[in-house]
Amino acid sequence: TQLLEQSPQFLSIQEGENLTVYCNSSSVFSSLQWYRQEPGEGPVLLVTVVTGGEVKKLKRLTFQFGDARKDSSLHITAAQPGDTGLYLCAGAQNAGNMLTFGGGTRLMVKP
Amino acid sequence: NAGVTQTPKFRVLKTGQSMTLLCAQDMNHEYMYWYRQDPGMGLRLIHYSVGEGTTAKGEVPDGYNVSRLKKQNFLLGLESAAPSQTSVYFCASRDLTSGRVPTRSYNEQFFGPGTRLTVL
Repeated sequence: TQLLEQSPQFLSIQEGENLTVYCNSSSVFSSLQWYRQEPGEGPVLLVTVVTGGEVKKLKRLTFQFGDARKDSSLHITAAQPGDTGLYLCAGAQNAGNMLTFGGGTRLMVKP
Repeated sequence: NAGVTQTPKFRVLKTGQSMTLLCAQDMNHEYMYWYRQDPGMGLRLIHYSVGEGTTAKGEVPDGYNVSRLKKQNFLLGLESAAPSQTSVYFCASRDLTSGRVPTRSYNEQFFGPGTRLTVL
């Protein structure tokens, strides 16, 4: 059982649609990150959230950290083919020397 | 800056063979990590290092050894490869957290392009 559960695992949508990806845990994290990974490459950081209830926006992407700092969501508005990729959430506990990754959500946006 | 580089990019081994994966970073980062990525399981931490000469076990350390003799390099060794070690291996590095107010880059890890390993 993974410490961080992501849902859905796969998502295939049409360009212009909205979507939400969830990252849930029964554990509390001091910070939570979202990474995006494209085929043949390593993950790249999108955002870090630290405060419970925090909302951050990155263009059409909106990230929210749960009030209890146990869960997070990523919402994409008007998805574009360029959003296609694997989205990973990762949580840090205590000093943050290590990250625990979720299983990932593979998103495909069709033109 | 090249960032984080990994060699080789691809490798095929037979069961029982040994090999070493090399990770190098030119950002003067203190922390370095080795992960494996398998379908549906995200990234799982194998070993990590918080500085030159130090290493620690992660979530799935069995069957792997590591060394950090130089700050910029982190080596991952497989002494006797098994088919269960077929995976994509990623190295990452990060700087010491600085400042009292977390920024976007707080705890940010920078990843290499990965090594695809197949063990037959």
